Amino acid sequence: SQQGEEDPQALSIQEGENATMNCSYKTSINNLQWYRQNSGRGLVHLILIRSNEREKHSGRLRVTLDTSKKSSSLLITASRAADTASYFCATFPKGTDKLIFGTGTRLQVFP
Amino acid sequence: NAGVTQTPKFQVLKTGQSMTLQCAQDMNHEYMSWYRQDPGMGLRLIHYSVGAGITDQGEVPNGYNVSRSTTEDFPLRLLSAAPSQTSVYFCASSYPATSGSYNEQFFGPGTRLTVL
Repeated sequence: SQQGEEDPQALSIQEGENATMNCSYKTSINNLQWYRQNSGRGLVHLILIRSNEREKHSGRLRVTLDTSKKSSSLLITASRAADTASYFCATFPKGTDKLIFGTGTRLQVFP
Repeated sequence: NAGVTQTPKFQVLKTGQSMTLQCAQDMNHEYMSWYRQDPGMGLRLIHYSVGAGITDQGEVPNGYNVSRSTTEDFPLRLLSAAPSQTSVYFCASSYPATSGSYNEQFFGPGTRLTVL
């Protein structure tokens, strides 16, 4: 079974709105990473948050991590049509060198 | 830098055939991995390597072999292709993080494989 699960599975919003995606995982981690995948393309790394960090920002992206709840959220502010993509969280469980991906959230941003 | 390259981009096989998917990186990354992505799903780890001469199994290793004779190359071999192996295959590479584990993964463009 996969380490991470994203919620919601799909999200549709208008340009200018904020988009929030959540990720839950099962075991203790070293770090958690978020990726974007445009349709039919490879994955692009967005942001990495370490297990001892609680919040991280990068441009319009804000990631939070709650290790007590084993969950993370990705917030995209002021969404644009170009943000339309699938978003995945991925974790390195502690004690392993395996990067395990979640199931992903499909985000559609309408102009 | 070319980053992570994968060949071929597309491949059609018949059941029972074997083939090798090529992956190369020019960033001197120690860590390399192979994933498969089925339609509408996330990525599942097939095999990974933390350095030349070292490989290990991921979540779905059956039917696949890997080797890592150099830092740059990490080929994935399908031993006897089956329709269930129809998927998009991604290779990725990374480097160690100071806090342990590994940093961001750099992904190749993928190989779209169909097994008839």
